[in-house]
Amino acid sequence: GDSVTQMEGPVTLSEEAFLTINCTYTATGYPSLFWYVQYPGEGLQLLLKATKADDKGSNKGFEATYRKETTSFHLEKGSVQVSDSAVYFCALSHRGDKIIFGKGTRLHILP
Amino acid sequence: DTEVTQTPKHLVMGMTNKKSLKCEQHMGHRAMYWYKQKAKKPPELMFVYSYEKLSINESVPSRFSPECPNSSLLNLHLHALQPEDSALYLCASSQGDASNEKLFFGSGTQLSVL
Repeated sequence: GDSVTQMEGPVTLSEEAFLTINCTYTATGYPSLFWYVQYPGEGLQLLLKATKADDKGSNKGFEATYRKETTSFHLEKGSVQVSDSAVYFCALSHRGDKIIFGKGTRLHILP
Repeated sequence: DTEVTQTPKHLVMGMTNKKSLKCEQHMGHRAMYWYKQKAKKPPELMFVYSYEKLSINESVPSRFSPECPNSSLLNLHLHALQPEDSALYLCASSQGDASNEKLFFGSGTQLSVL
């Protein structure tokens, strides 16, 4: 079945560092890919998405490119802020309503 | 209004109690979802309503009973829960039920079963 694998956390970085959170997927066909973010005490928010190969999703300085050849959707940001501390979930949606989430990566940014 | 509102924010209940979680959205979304999230885990899908009809039940125990009174409201009725049911319960909505739809999540109800 379809699945999402993302790097284990927690990831701890200093403010203004470069961020990469790896995400790979297994799916038949051409799923849509997402990054959701969950801040402490809140529900999930869509951060960005891509619906077809080579699409780049971007939002709030974060970017991810849908790579069909490597089945990857890595999340990057050039300069992180303390306010980016949260849990990040990579996800895919392939069959109708159901979205499949990765296990989540907790990010801590130190001032 | 781009919010999904969930009440209550916190709930403590005994194993013999009956309680309900409520979710409301006024974005005109036609699909609504219940998820369960344990600490440090991803959300797990429980139920999906599409156009006010139950379209997905992920083999959830019958002590959880969903209800969709109208297109803006979603309830989750709880009865005879177990301590392992303690979790954050998240409601979400989307405009339709296509696979690339953006999900809008509420802040959740933190449930503790004693």
